[in-house]
Order: sequence, then C-alpha cells, then structure tokens
Amino acid sequence: VLTQSPATLSLSPGERATLSCRTSQSVRSCLSWYQQKPGQAPRLLIYDASYRATGIPARFSGSGSGTDFALTISSLEPEDSAVYYCQQRCNGPLTFGGGTKVEIK
Amino acid sequence: EVQLVQSGAEVKKPGESLKISCKGSGYFFSSYWIGWLRQKPGKGLEWMGIVHPGDSDIRYSPSFEGQVTISADKSVSTVYLQWSSLKASDSATYYCARSGYCSGGNCFFYYWGQGTLVTVS
Repeated sequence: VLTQSPATLSLSPGERATLSCRTSQSVRSCLSWYQQKPGQAPRLLIYDASYRATGIPARFSGSGSGTDFALTISSLEPEDSAVYYCQQRCNGPLTFGGGTKVEIK
Repeated sequence: EVQLVQSGAEVKKPGESLKISCKGSGYFFSSYWIGWLRQKPGKGLEWMGIVHPGDSDIRYSPSFEGQVTISADKSVSTVYLQWSSLKASDSATYYCARSGYCSGGNCFFYYWGQGTLVTVS
C-alpha cells in the first residue's frame, strides 16, 4: 500500500512544496513520481526515487528509500498545479498512491 | 520521438465486447514493456497489466486478471486491451504507457498514450 500525504497542498508561487509517499513494505529505491494535469495523461517526473526524467525542470527532485519518499518542488510555478502520484515497482504488483493535489494560490 | 497513439473513444452497452489499441512508434517496439492503466472519473491510477511485445510475456494485476485480456502484435507495433463482456463499472479512461528500463514487468512508465475513454451505458 502506498500512502500519499497531504491529500491537498495549497501554496503560493515561489514557495517550496514537499509531497510524501510512504509504502507499507520496503520498495528499496523503486519509486516513481508522476504529474497529471486535468484532461491530460500522466507525465513521468522522477524514477528510481531520485532520477529526473528527460525534460523535467530542476526544481523537481525526489528523495528517499525503503518506505519513505518525498517529491520536492523547490519553487512553485503556476504550471505546477496538478495531481501528483507515486508508484512502486519492486514489491508485488505495480501500485500507485492515491495522489496529492497541489493548488497554487 | 517516442509516441503511443491510442484508439478513439468508445460507447458500448453492458455485455458487449471491446478491444482498444495502442500503437507505438519512434523506438524499437519489441524492446520495452507496455502497460495498461485505468483511471475512473475523479479517481487515481490503477495498474491493470503489462506486456512485453518482444515475446508476449504478459503480467496481470490480481485485481484485473480474468476480467480483461492484454495482447501484442509486434508486426504492427500495437498492443491491445480487450473485454469479452463489459460492465457499467468498466467506464473509465484507459491509458497505455511504455516502460523505462525494467525487467520481469516491474516497470515505471516513461511515455504515455493520450488515453481512451470507454463509456458503458
């Protein structure tokens, strides 16, 4: 089970956002983060806990291993308004967290 | 440029069958796993299963095994998701997504299709 928190995060442009994903069992570093905007397909941001996908801005970073992971957006931009999902790939069936909605004030 | 192009939206009646498709281009199709994912309106992502087009190795989520069939035809660079008897609860957007590097179907998803909306009513 992947548990994301908070469910919703409301911050102003330029602020730092920290999203959490906790797994019920260790997934080592096999955790990815995706961004999904309304009406769009998800987009891979981070894979294997800390590697940015091609074309992803440097303000997005991932950290963690084992059961506790974080996605940090260092300085929020208006276009970062979206739902963010984590996904594990190393413990049983592929599973996703329930998502964190990031709102920009 | 890697692209996954999915078939168009479908409106079906309960009990009908359906097969939707996902065509890959811009990369060597046989080398990467492609997964299918479901998203119900306003809800999160659910992994349904994954196929390796090179050898048609298929893995299903326990939640979807027996409910859908995944297949691949590498000669036309296309993977498929099919239902034999749709239910209203199958109404959702279905995404295909190509893996990054992975083995045994234990993948993250690097590239995504645009989604296929299936309405069963």
